[in-house]
Amino acid sequence: NAGVTQTPKFRVLKTGQSMTLLCAQDMNHEYMYWYRQDPGMGLRLIHYSVGEGTTAKGEVPDGYNVSRLKKQNFLLGLESAAPSQTSVYFCASEGTSANSGNTIYFGEGSWLTVV
Amino acid sequence: RKEVEQDPGPFNVPEGATVAFNCTYSNSASQSFFWYRQDCRKEPKLLMSVYSSGNEDGRFTAQLNRASQYISLLIRDSKLSDSATYLCAVNSWNSGGSNYKLTFGKGTLLTVNP
Repeated sequence: NAGVTQTPKFRVLKTGQSMTLLCAQDMNHEYMYWYRQDPGMGLRLIHYSVGEGTTAKGEVPDGYNVSRLKKQNFLLGLESAAPSQTSVYFCASEGTSANSGNTIYFGEGSWLTVV
Repeated sequence: RKEVEQDPGPFNVPEGATVAFNCTYSNSASQSFFWYRQDCRKEPKLLMSVYSSGNEDGRFTAQLNRASQYISLLIRDSKLSDSATYLCAVNSWNSGGSNYKLTFGKGTLLTVNP
């Protein structure tokens, strides 16, 4: 049971380069989220999706784009990386079960450094 | 006012102590509430969902006060292994019913000392 898988786990980018972080979940969840986590700032929501083909802006969307072409995948793109985007990125998906109600599952994180 | 605010901490307590975390939220229409635990360089993991009636899981007790818009987490008889960052999380629809999102507090670092 893979749960939520993020790739890559580590990446170093040069300023101005582009890249895509992939999040895949095998739980048939509708809701998916991308967060960044920085020291002293907590988890901040970048973008989220409430279903296939839909995306919405979160708290800190600037400099990022997302796509949800398939239900199981939620992609986060950096078109022109900046040092301020150095962070740990967490993807999460949310589902509902009879036993535990809404439950959010996180991927293991992607450590991105922009130099 | 931030959507979700949490005790900044950090908390340093001896083994066996009781420690309480509090979190307030601004959206009165919030529907679901959670406590997460995050170890250093790891992803957050669900500790407990928080229900209106309050709920307990071993040494951990979570409570929700909708009137005052806060949730709490109590850890009794704390262990060294409880050392981690604890985050509260709230999800809700916006007033127009078109957007739904999960918002986290900044987290509170707990260190349990021998």
